Amino acid sequence: NAGVTQTPKFRVLKTGQSMTLLCAQDMNHEYMYWYRQDPGMGLRLIHYSVGEGTTAKGEVPDGYNVSRLKKQNFLLGLESAAPSQTSVYFCASSYSTGPVYEQYFGPGTRLTVT
Amino acid sequence: AQSVTQLGSHVSVSEGALVLLRCNYSSSVPPYLFWYVQYPNQGLQLLLKYTTGATLVKGINGFEAEFKKSETSFHLTKPSAHMSDAAEYFCAVSDTVTASKLTFGTGTRLQVTL
Repeated sequence: NAGVTQTPKFRVLKTGQSMTLLCAQDMNHEYMYWYRQDPGMGLRLIHYSVGEGTTAKGEVPDGYNVSRLKKQNFLLGLESAAPSQTSVYFCASSYSTGPVYEQYFGPGTRLTVT
Repeated sequence: AQSVTQLGSHVSVSEGALVLLRCNYSSSVPPYLFWYVQYPNQGLQLLLKYTTGATLVKGINGFEAEFKKSETSFHLTKPSAHMSDAAEYFCAVSDTVTASKLTFGTGTRLQVTL
């Protein structure tokens, strides 16, 4: 199993450009998440999905959109990139073991907006 | 709302010395607590988790953590540090209400010196 994969690994955008980050998981997990990681701030949840066709806002959703058309894929879109969106983006997926959801993380995408 | 505080953004220990990384949480309902490790340029990997039951939890790579409700703490320890333990460590919390979502601390970077 590949687990959670993310495409691309690195990207440089100019302010105002758009892009889509792809997350794929082969573990048949229901839940998927997008986080951003910034120095000194830990991981902050952008959007998440509790199943195919569903999405919900996390802690820092502004400037991002998501879609979950297929259970195994979760896309994160930036319609008009801003320098404040320079960050490392992580995707995760999870399943429940009883009441607890254990999250599995992808390797990350490093995005720079100039 | 939940929150996590990790005391010390950087911790340095000598190889063979005790590792102690501190985590305090805030939650109005019984928490689920996690420690994740992030090696350079990689995603996060689960070290250990506390859900219910035994308050001393053992994880991978010789790490363990103890849930202390009275102190609202979940500190991570390892008796003898190894060079390969150098990484960033994140404490995270969820609970019985928001089980599928994690709130992360800001992370502690562990340096291991000879």
